[in-house]
Amino acid sequence: GESVGLHLPTLSVQEGDNSIINCAYSNSASDYFIWYKQESGKGPQFIIDIRSNMDKRQGQRVTVLLNKTVKHLSLQIAATQPGDSAVYFCAEGLFSGGYNKLIFGAGTRLAVHP
Amino acid sequence: EAQVTQNPRYLITVTGKKLTVTCSQNMNHEYMSWYRQDPGLGLRQIYYSMNVEVTDKGDVPEGYKVSRKEKRNFPLILESPSPNQTSLYFCASSLAGTADPLEQYFGPGTRLTVT
Repeated sequence: GESVGLHLPTLSVQEGDNSIINCAYSNSASDYFIWYKQESGKGPQFIIDIRSNMDKRQGQRVTVLLNKTVKHLSLQIAATQPGDSAVYFCAEGLFSGGYNKLIFGAGTRLAVHP
Repeated sequence: EAQVTQNPRYLITVTGKKLTVTCSQNMNHEYMSWYRQDPGLGLRQIYYSMNVEVTDKGDVPEGYKVSRKEKRNFPLILESPSPNQTSLYFCASSLAGTADPLEQYFGPGTRLTVT
């Protein structure tokens, strides 16, 4: 598959454990945040988004937490499975001047071990 | 099946030889975008389009051109490719307008090598 990040930070977890992937963002004016998952050899896939006026949002097996005080975002994955192994990107979005802009972080690799 | 398609998937070319990477989506999305992905740098936006005939620069537009003559197609043009444009390229589309999070659907990627 394609190598999307030779020197990415890596989080290693055991199958069945919960995973927490962290992200620091830079722009306090960001309107929303998104988490994307990228499996080897594929394009990124949307997981979940959260608007800046929210602190927490839950999806299927995933929870995103937003702490605007310290500009920190996290993605929690419950009962991590081998299929969760991928690179995870956080992205911050901004509505401005009639456009919609998204800036991606560098990514974190999640490795799930049996 | 709802999808974003890109062609070619792999391309090796030489410096200065014009090339086009095609992108097409069948979801009637208004928003389309091109990104390049390089190791350790994440995804960087090259150009985006909010609708037909409306395009704008992203973060790294130098050396690239785009056009949006139809809603479904958004080709990426490299008029005179250089080795620093060797990268993995992704096209994406979204139904989102200017007030919704960009839930983008990505194509499978095009691996470009410029020698």
